Amino acid sequence: SQTIHQWPATLVQPVGSPLSLECTVEGTSNPNLYWYRQAAGRGLQLLFYSVGIGQISSEVPQNLSASRPQDRQFILSSKKLLLSDSGFYLCAWRGTRIEQFFGPGTRLTVL
Amino acid sequence: LAKTTQPISMDSYEGQEVNITCSHNNIATNDYITWYQQFPSQGPRFIIQGYKTKVTNEVASLFIPADRKSSTLSLPRVSLSDTAVYYCLVVASNSGYALNFGKGTSLLVTP
Repeated sequence: SQTIHQWPATLVQPVGSPLSLECTVEGTSNPNLYWYRQAAGRGLQLLFYSVGIGQISSEVPQNLSASRPQDRQFILSSKKLLLSDSGFYLCAWRGTRIEQFFGPGTRLTVL
Repeated sequence: LAKTTQPISMDSYEGQEVNITCSHNNIATNDYITWYQQFPSQGPRFIIQGYKTKVTNEVASLFIPADRKSSTLSLPRVSLSDTAVYYCLVVASNSGYALNFGKGTSLLVTP
């Protein structure tokens, strides 16, 4: 069966510090991968999606970036965090069907 | 991606049927309609998807009229554990099937 992992589960970072969140999927090949963010009291916002290794589509201009170095690995990064980057970050994957499967998420607090 | 509009909140008693209607006036020919459920501090969970007419699974039913400009998610005999946020989304293949979440409908089920 397929499994999606995200780490860390929680993170507290100072403003201006770098960020690296990792997402890995097991049990499937060539998945579509997605990063979403949910700010407090708001809906989920699509940040990036990838249909293959090295292929990244950005949905929202910001100080975040994404990379897909391996088929089942998706990384979200930032060189300098802002207060507004705080939120709940979710990674998701999709196979051949339409539905997406979400990971457990990372709660990021920028102070 | 077609924009969706759904009620911000709904209340129901245990054992009742709940119908949540979503409008998506600008849906395109190749778009699908999907619904997700989200509990606090968790990622969304896929409930059901459809293209037209009626779709039923073990969790819910989805009714889509011929013009496809709206859809109704029907949850039979809700329980307290169905208290969650429900999202209606239109999914397009030309955007990698990325999900454009709105604010969803917050359903509260009480005894």
